[in-house]
Amino acid sequence: AQRVTQPEKLLSVFKGAPVELKCNYSYSGSPELFWYVQYSRQRLQLLLRHISRESIKGFTADLNKGETSFHLKKPFAQEEDSAMYYCALSRSGNTGKLIFGQGTTLQVKP
Amino acid sequence: DGGITQSPKYLFRKEGQNVTLSCEQNLNHDAMYWYRQDPGQGLRLIYYSQIVNDFQKGDIAEGYSVSREKKESFPLTVTSAQKNPTAFYLCASSDNRVRNQPQHFGDGTRLSIL
Repeated sequence: AQRVTQPEKLLSVFKGAPVELKCNYSYSGSPELFWYVQYSRQRLQLLLRHISRESIKGFTADLNKGETSFHLKKPFAQEEDSAMYYCALSRSGNTGKLIFGQGTTLQVKP
Repeated sequence: DGGITQSPKYLFRKEGQNVTLSCEQNLNHDAMYWYRQDPGQGLRLIYYSQIVNDFQKGDIAEGYSVSREKKESFPLTVTSAQKNPTAFYLCASSDNRVRNQPQHFGDGTRLSIL
């Protein structure tokens, strides 16, 4: 069964500390993985996707097929990074359907 | 301003009543989706539609129904058969002509039981 697991409900760090939000997936095919973010009082929006291999707002994520992980990292957290983060998996093919993890709330303290 | 509009923002349902949540998009996207968001459970797919006049059940379709008569609109009806409807409902759309395009989300509708 396809599944996305985010083991931490809440991650609390101090400003300037490194951040790693964990995401593990279960899927036998070739996954496409995404991170979505929801800031307070804003819509859920795409943060980044693994195929783009991009860095957005200082965040990066590398797909590790051996460990079936797609952890989101940032070397120095900022207070404005505080938000709910969702990892999502799209199955191969073009249905566009996403499977979401449970979400992790990132709290960056001053 | 392009985007997805969900209405109403808050909705209350009485026992035995069907209620319909509206979702409209002006992004010219073929694909539209309905998710339910519960605390600690992330987003779960209720229904999705890849093209007008066609839709498929997602992972938790029981107690819900949809229609897709127009490209711009994908209303969700929460029927009386849905025994635990209290949740936050999110609508999304995407351009499925190209692989792995991001989904664009609305602001959501919060449904509560009276």
